[in-house]
Amino acid sequence: SQTIHQWPATLVQPVGSPLSLECTVEGTSNPNLYWYRQAAGRGLQLLFYSVGIGQISSEVPQNLSASRPQDRQFILSSKKLLLSDSGFYLCAWGPNEQFFGPGTRLTVL
Amino acid sequence: GQNIDQPTEMTATEGAIVQINCTYQTSGFNGLFWYQQHAGEAPTFLSYNVLDGLEEKGRFSSFLSRSKGYSYLLLKELQMKDSASYLCAVRPLNDYKLSFGAGTTVTVRA
Repeated sequence: SQTIHQWPATLVQPVGSPLSLECTVEGTSNPNLYWYRQAAGRGLQLLFYSVGIGQISSEVPQNLSASRPQDRQFILSSKKLLLSDSGFYLCAWGPNEQFFGPGTRLTVL
Repeated sequence: GQNIDQPTEMTATEGAIVQINCTYQTSGFNGLFWYQQHAGEAPTFLSYNVLDGLEEKGRFSSFLSRSKGYSYLLLKELQMKDSASYLCAVRPLNDYKLSFGAGTTVTVRA
């Protein structure tokens, strides 16, 4: 069966610091991978998605970037965090329906 | 883009039935999805409709009318654990992405 992992589960970072969130999927190959952000009390905002190694499509032109160095690994990064980057970051995979990882709750202070 | 509308909040009594409506406007259509999200947790997949009609899964059913751009999620025999946000999402034709509605918060009261 397929499983999706995200870490860390929670993170508190100062404004201006870098960020690296990691997502890995097990039990499948060549999955479509997605990064979402959910601000408190708000809906899901798609940030990036990837349909293959090294391929990244950006939905939101912000101070975030994504990379897919391996087939089942998806990384979300930032060089300098902003207060507005606080939120619940979710990774998802799927050929059709999307299955979400447990998420990372990021607080930028 | 896609416009997806669903009510913000609904309240129902334990044991009752609640119907959550979702309307959408999309350029091409390739499926409608429902997710459940408990507070502080990730969304979990509930159902997928690509053809018109009703899909039943235990206490939960989902209906789709493509000509009307309309779907509903029906929750029967409500339990306290059904208190959650329910998200409607649409996949446009020839697209890998899902567009999510803002979600409907359902509160089940004893």
